[in-house]
Amino acid sequence: DTEVTQTPKHLVMGMTNKKSLKCEQHMGHRAMYWYKQKAKKPPELMFVYSYEKLSINESVPSRFSPECPNSSLLNLHLHALQPEDSALYLCASSLAGAADTQYFGPGTRLTVL
Amino acid sequence: DQQVKQNSPSLSVQEGRISILNCDYTNSMFDYFLWYKKYPAEGPTFLISISSIKDKNEDGRFTVFLNKSAKHLSLHIVPSQPGDSAVYFCAASGDGQNFVFGPGTRLSVLP
Repeated sequence: DTEVTQTPKHLVMGMTNKKSLKCEQHMGHRAMYWYKQKAKKPPELMFVYSYEKLSINESVPSRFSPECPNSSLLNLHLHALQPEDSALYLCASSLAGAADTQYFGPGTRLTVL
Repeated sequence: DQQVKQNSPSLSVQEGRISILNCDYTNSMFDYFLWYKKYPAEGPTFLISISSIKDKNEDGRFTVFLNKSAKHLSLHIVPSQPGDSAVYFCAASGDGQNFVFGPGTRLSVLP
């Protein structure tokens, strides 16, 4: 299994809603990542988890809250988002983080109304 | 200030010819580089990597060249195929974990 899966594929939410994005991998990878990608822009790193601990938070607003319940799962909890948060949210994983290739999921297309 | 630059937003190449995608970086601490390919509505797919101890890495039709003194790398695809049409991202890292992506180059391979 060399796949990173993400659910849902598409999500539309209002600014007062609370929702969560989910990411899963069963490759035994111990580093997992959340990226945000706006149209026609490269992916921007949001968070890195290494061995289930948050190791990098790239100054992301607190309305985005990551969670790593175990080594296979990564969640991104969303609350009180703004329309400008609409984007493709990509999850990735790598073996241990140090110079290892990152494998990306298909992304969740988020629209905030 | 962009640390990773891909100065050609788009490139068109005839099928069967060579595609050359360029990437420049400014941070001399970067020592690990990757190329990703991205189709619309999909996540980026890893293509090929190179570390600073090498100046060339080859995998099938894909070859990456690294010129550390010039802070420049390039991806060669030969022969180019219509299925190669996608956006190609160059990414660089100094710690192997935090990658900075370039803006991407859209490659169109014409049949």
